[in-house]
Amino acid sequence: NAGVTQTPKFRVLKTGQSMTLLCAQDMNHEYMYWYRQDPGMGLRLIHYSVGEGTTAKGEVPDGYNVSRLKKQNFLLGLESAAPSQTSVYFCASSYYGIGYEQYFGPGTRLTVT
Amino acid sequence: KNEVEQSPQNLTAQEGEFITINCSYSVGISALHWLQQHPGGGIVSLFMLSSGKKKHGRLIATINIQEKHSSLHITASHPRDSAVYICAVRAYSGGGADGLTFGKGTHLIIQP
Repeated sequence: NAGVTQTPKFRVLKTGQSMTLLCAQDMNHEYMYWYRQDPGMGLRLIHYSVGEGTTAKGEVPDGYNVSRLKKQNFLLGLESAAPSQTSVYFCASSYYGIGYEQYFGPGTRLTVT
Repeated sequence: KNEVEQSPQNLTAQEGEFITINCSYSVGISALHWLQQHPGGGIVSLFMLSSGKKKHGRLIATINIQEKHSSLHITASHPRDSAVYICAVRAYSGGGADGLTFGKGTHLIIQP
């Protein structure tokens, strides 16, 4: 099993450009999450999904949109990138609920200039 | 607001030393996680616990619910243990999809 994979691994965007980060998991997990990790701060939840076709806002959702059209995929979109969105983005999934063991992807390092 | 504080922020030790990383939190919780983030960036879950103590190899995690405190211990530390160790808690709300609140991490370096 590949576990949780993320595409791309690195990306540089100019302010105002858009992009989509793809997260895929092959563990048949219901729950999926997008986090961002910034220097000096803990991981923060952006959006999450409790099943196919459902999404919900986390702690820092502004400037991001998500979709979960298929159970195995969770997409994170930036419609108009801003320098404040420079961060490392992690996707995670879990079999049980949101407070239970989570499996993380390798991360995507995004720089917005 | 739930706060998760870890100490120390940075720790450098010699191979073989006994390591302790501490985590304190401010609200009632239903579960506490310890995670490990390798220098390459990958994050893996080490423990999830709600009471008592868990052991896996050279790693031991304990939690004291009354004192709102958890510790992660590493026995016979090795350079490959060098990583960032992250504490995260799930606040107890009686139900609902509450997220995890993460600490800022403890950066551990084990020197040969």
